[in-house]
Amino acid sequence: EPEVTQTPSHQVTQMGQEVILRCVPISNHLYFYWYRQILGQKVEFLVSFYNNEISEKSEIFDDQFSVERPDGSNFTLKIRSTKLEDSAMYFCASNGGRPPGELFFGEGSRLTVL
Amino acid sequence: DAKTTQPPSMDCAEGRAANLPCNHSTISGNEYVYWYRQIHSQGPQYIIHGLKNNETNEMASLIITEDRKSSTLILPHATLRDTAVYYCIVRVLGGKLIFGQGTELSVKP
Repeated sequence: EPEVTQTPSHQVTQMGQEVILRCVPISNHLYFYWYRQILGQKVEFLVSFYNNEISEKSEIFDDQFSVERPDGSNFTLKIRSTKLEDSAMYFCASNGGRPPGELFFGEGSRLTVL
Repeated sequence: DAKTTQPPSMDCAEGRAANLPCNHSTISGNEYVYWYRQIHSQGPQYIIHGLKNNETNEMASLIITEDRKSSTLILPHATLRDTAVYYCIVRVLGGKLIFGQGTELSVKP
């Protein structure tokens, strides 16, 4: 069964460093998303991406964050100048675009900022 | 913010049906009801969705009231592996999923 894959599964970084989280959505899906979940809290929407541009973003997704689809398969989330409060699980999701289609989530990348 | 209300936790005996309620009294005509679950800290997993009619798949059944202001997710024969947080979400076509706190279901032997 097709699945969304994310790398790395766990990344530890120092405060102030930049991190890139990578996602390979399901082939032929058109819509892509990033969500995050701080430990013990709810899953929060960050950004949605369609047709090579951001279609919607939350107030969490400020200038510190950026997304990119550098080639036909990868979808990345870049976090610049990481802060302690960026420590969380980051989930990538994709959607086939055929309404009302479900979102398929990856297993997540755990980011720990020290 | 989430537009749904769910009980924070529920227990269910293994092998029995788990009935998880959800209120969505402000749902719009073009919004679907989706159910996802999250086991431990894994990625959320799609279960089922519906608009007006009741729906059933291999995982669960979804019962939506006639006025669409509430729904119930039914796991017909709960197993220990169904222990998870269950999220009821309303979503417009093509819209983002907004997760609330969900219901923490504990299936007990």
